[in-house]
Amino acid sequence: GENVEQHPSTLSVQEGDSAVIKCTYSDSASNYFPWYKQELGKRPQLIIDIRSNVGEKKDQRIAVTLNKTAKHFSLHITETQPEDSAVYFCAASTYNNDMRFGAGTRLTVKP
Amino acid sequence: NAGVTQTPKFQVLKTGQSMTLQCAQDMNHNSMYWYRQDPGMGLRLIYYSASEGTTDKGEVPNGYNVSRLNKREFSLRLESAAPSQTSVYFCASSALSGGDEQFFGPGTRLTVL
Repeated sequence: GENVEQHPSTLSVQEGDSAVIKCTYSDSASNYFPWYKQELGKRPQLIIDIRSNVGEKKDQRIAVTLNKTAKHFSLHITETQPEDSAVYFCAASTYNNDMRFGAGTRLTVKP
Repeated sequence: NAGVTQTPKFQVLKTGQSMTLQCAQDMNHNSMYWYRQDPGMGLRLIYYSASEGTTDKGEVPNGYNVSRLNKREFSLRLESAAPSQTSVYFCASSALSGGDEQFFGPGTRLTVL
């Protein structure tokens, strides 16, 4: 089955700096790559997603890039703010519903 | 529009006891999922239901059973709870089967003593 690895496990940045989280996947058939944000004690919520026919997608301060050849995708957050502090999860799935998540990255944005 | 709801929010069981976690969604979604979340391990898929009347195993199905009662409801049953099943359980739903945004419920924190 699919295996998703996520790095780093923790990331600390100063407010206003950029943050980058990277994920790799193993199944070349995977075609959907979402990113979820989870605040402490809350449920995961989708912040951005990308499909395999697209190389990059941007939504305000958040962008995701996908390299299908290398089987990796990354989340980029620019101009970070304290409210960006949370745990971020990447995931990968095919059309069979079996979504696999990375282990998560705890992002801390220091004011 | 409540989205995805789960009951109970918290539960403590003794080893060997059974229980059912309930999940319901009011978004007319076709697909529903059960995940467990353990510290440092992200979310792991237990079972999913691509559509009403179908269920499939995910990454960690052992020790669990599911029932897709109707389009709205998807329950998870622990027949004989074990301490290794102590976790936070999330239910989720998506409009389409595969490759679609999943909406999560608030979670159930389960402790097995």
